[in-house]
Amino acid sequence: DAGVIQSPRHEVTEMGQEVTLRCKPISGHNSLFWYRQTMMRGLELLIYFNNNVPIDDSGMPEDRFSAKMPNASFSTLKIQPSEPRDSAVYFCASSFWGEDEKLFFGSGTQLSVL
Amino acid sequence: RKEVEQDPGPFNVPEGATVAFNCTYSNSASQSFFWYRQDCRKEPKLLMSVYSSGNEDGRFTAQLNRASQYISLLIRDSKLSDSATYLCAVNNDMRFGAGTRLTVKP
Repeated sequence: DAGVIQSPRHEVTEMGQEVTLRCKPISGHNSLFWYRQTMMRGLELLIYFNNNVPIDDSGMPEDRFSAKMPNASFSTLKIQPSEPRDSAVYFCASSFWGEDEKLFFGSGTQLSVL
Repeated sequence: RKEVEQDPGPFNVPEGATVAFNCTYSNSASQSFFWYRQDCRKEPKLLMSVYSSGNEDGRFTAQLNRASQYISLLIRDSKLSDSATYLCAVNNDMRFGAGTRLTVKP
């Protein structure tokens, strides 16, 4: 299995631009999580999906952030418009909920908003 | 109060030392507990699940104290390669603590 695949690995953009982060979960997993990690705030849960349905988006910072999961093999996290304070590492993780709930993380996207 | 809190660290210990981390959680209904390890500039990876009866994996021992609502991780005979950040995760929505940085020195 290829594991959780995220793209891009690095993204540098200017303030005000739209940013789209992508994630392909492990095949067969039914839950997908988006996290943001910074030195100051640690690893924060933004949103998670179960069977492609958003279950808890209370961690999404504000309306500039949106996430979708159109099918079991793909999810996006979009920031529009981006701001310098959005700079962080964004991780996607997947698991098989109802079994052991262990999370498998992608390599992350390092986002820098100038 | 944060849902999941960890010892702030950092912990700097010599090789061979025993070190323990704690992680407290606020939701008494929490059912699932995990320890993850994260190396610098890498993603977190599962180290071990934490079972009610406690569990051991080589030099690593994890325990759960439901009455006081905390989990612990004990590392015996620490190695240089144990240097990393250790994160605890709690419950169905997988919220993480801020992590505890461990550095094992020769």
